[in-house]
Amino acid sequence: EAQVTQNPRYLITVTGKKLTVTCSQNMNHEYMSWYRQDPGLGLRQIYYSMNVEVTDKGDVPEGYKVSRKEKRNFPLILESPSPNQTSLYFCASTPGDGGVAYNEQFFGPGTRLTVL
Amino acid sequence: KQEVTQIPAALSVPEGENLVLNCSFTDSAIYNLQWFRQDPGKGLTSLLLIQSSQREQTSGRLNASLDKSSGRSTLYIAASQPGDSATYLCAVGPDGYNKLIFGAGTRLAVHP
Repeated sequence: EAQVTQNPRYLITVTGKKLTVTCSQNMNHEYMSWYRQDPGLGLRQIYYSMNVEVTDKGDVPEGYKVSRKEKRNFPLILESPSPNQTSLYFCASTPGDGGVAYNEQFFGPGTRLTVL
Repeated sequence: KQEVTQIPAALSVPEGENLVLNCSFTDSAIYNLQWFRQDPGKGLTSLLLIQSSQREQTSGRLNASLDKSSGRSTLYIAASQPGDSATYLCAVGPDGYNKLIFGAGTRLAVHP
């Protein structure tokens, strides 16, 4: 089944304890992104990647890191989480292959993160 | 700065009604517009994608239109069903590939 997967789905942690949220897609998509969703603020892009080893900041990158060492994986790293990073996080991928729906974004199921 | 607004914020209708959800955006320079559905605590399901050169897209009971010049899109749901209850999100793509700018959503409840 074509999909974007994220792990873990739920995570409760404490301030300052480094964590990684994994994201993987099996559709051979070129582009991948991370978003966070907060009440009243909607979904906002954190980082995106156009290809292996090519990443760039979105609208709210502070406090986050990403890497793209393989085409299928795009982990989100919080080096020192803080309570204001409590949110619902989504990974997304986009074909980027020049087809009819080259720019349609497909989202993972989300990771609910709580930082105490 | 692109801003996306969705009206109404919430809508409650009886089963069987045809309904229209509205989305407006401030900058007409977009590559695409995508409608999503989000169920409580779940991810986003892509419903319809409209490229900037297109005027509308249809999928089953759903029809989405795009008027770039006026900065508007509508999602039409025919013969609504309780299973359509969800939050519907409109998002515009300003750069063609990577980024989507989202509206706050319309929370739809269809009651039997």
